[in-house]
Amino acid sequence: AQTVTQSQPEMSVQEAETVTLSCTYDTSESDYYLFWYKQPPSRQMILVIRQEAYKQQNATENRFSVNFQKAAKSFSLKISDSQLGDAAMYFCAQNYNNNDMRFGAGTRLTVKP
Amino acid sequence: DAGITQSPRYKITETGRQVTLMCHQTWSHSYMFWYRQDLGHGLRLIYYSAAADITDKGEVPDGYVVSRSKTENFPLTLESATRSQTSVYFCASTSGDFFTGELFFGEGSRLTVL
Repeated sequence: AQTVTQSQPEMSVQEAETVTLSCTYDTSESDYYLFWYKQPPSRQMILVIRQEAYKQQNATENRFSVNFQKAAKSFSLKISDSQLGDAAMYFCAQNYNNNDMRFGAGTRLTVKP
Repeated sequence: DAGITQSPRYKITETGRQVTLMCHQTWSHSYMFWYRQDLGHGLRLIYYSAAADITDKGEVPDGYVVSRSKTENFPLTLESATRSQTSVYFCASTSGDFFTGELFFGEGSRLTVL
């Protein structure tokens, strides 16, 4: 079965510093998409960044970037210049079976002022 | 306001009761989904719908029923609630190609089954 694993249940970072959240996945597909979603305390999840597996270039969205290692099946999220508003639960996800998205268990990020 | 809304936001019920969670979206997105979120499991797909009158099972469909008579509505019914269905339920939608598109989530419905 396809799985997405986030090995860090909790992480903390000092405001203005950089933090990296880890994610590994397991798939037999050659073409797929990977996602990072953010769930703030208000609970509504929003998309942070998306990566297409056939693209070797790492995706970047402002302060958010990914390190995509296809052979290692690794998809980490780097947040630069962390802000208090970045505090949230972060979920790594991969599309699956043409109708589903498999999510990791999440990493709770705390940002310290 | 445009968006995706869920109701109720909070619900407490008893074992064996029927419960319906509502989901309404204003974008006319073709795809809609119901996920449940449990500690340590992330989100797991219960049911999805590719269009009105088209629904299919996800990873954890047992004990749930869905319908989609109109594009904008996708209610989720627990026909006989069990304690294991205590969870936070999220509705989501997207247009066009599910895999390249962005999932838009509702704010969630927290259900407690006593």
